[in-house]
Amino acid sequence: QTVVTQEPSLSVSPGGTVTLTCGLSSGSVSTSHSPSWYQQTPGQAPRTLIYTTNIRSSGVPDRFSGSILGNKAALTITGARADDESHYYCVLYMSGDISLFGGGTNLAVL
Amino acid sequence: VQLLESGGGLVQPGGSLRLSCAASGFTFSSCAMTWVRQAPGKGLECVSVISDSGSNIYYADSVKGRFTISRDNSKNILYLQMNSLRAEDTATYYCAKRAYYAFDSWGQGTMVTVSS
Repeated sequence: QTVVTQEPSLSVSPGGTVTLTCGLSSGSVSTSHSPSWYQQTPGQAPRTLIYTTNIRSSGVPDRFSGSILGNKAALTITGARADDESHYYCVLYMSGDISLFGGGTNLAVL
Repeated sequence: VQLLESGGGLVQPGGSLRLSCAASGFTFSSCAMTWVRQAPGKGLECVSVISDSGSNIYYADSVKGRFTISRDNSKNILYLQMNSLRAEDTATYYCAKRAYYAFDSWGQGTMVTVSS
């Protein structure tokens, strides 16, 4: 069974840059998986950040960018702010019209 | 875009619930729709997807045979019929609009608790 992998936790200093990654338990992530990224703070619904690898959703600041790095999808946050402290989830589109979520990354800004 | 879920609540194991999601602000009949759930303190799971016409449907293995997704394009409502509920189905259920193989708009969620 395919599993989507993410770092369980990461930290970044205010103003710094951090890259979150999204991989597959077997195989490489490519643009054909249409990686997407979501931000969620406790008690709130997810917010869509990035879709189709690198397209920012409406209203998302350009501090957030998506890409493919090596064999993984990546979400890079530059100029980190305190309110970026959240859980971040990636989703990969798989054959059979299946969308698989990663386990999420808990990002701390400190 | 507005998505408003309803129908959650407390139900005993083995019981049933029907969730609804009222959609507005977009052409509902042209969009695939999904249900995504989140157990308390856990991550997100795509439970079911239905195509714009309703002709193509996907279920996660965890709910296959117990949950049924459907839609009424004349009323702009998405449904999730949940039968044979188990404790592990306890979660917040989100309705989400699908676009570009992603979830591009979300409702606020409705809580389902399965407990005796």
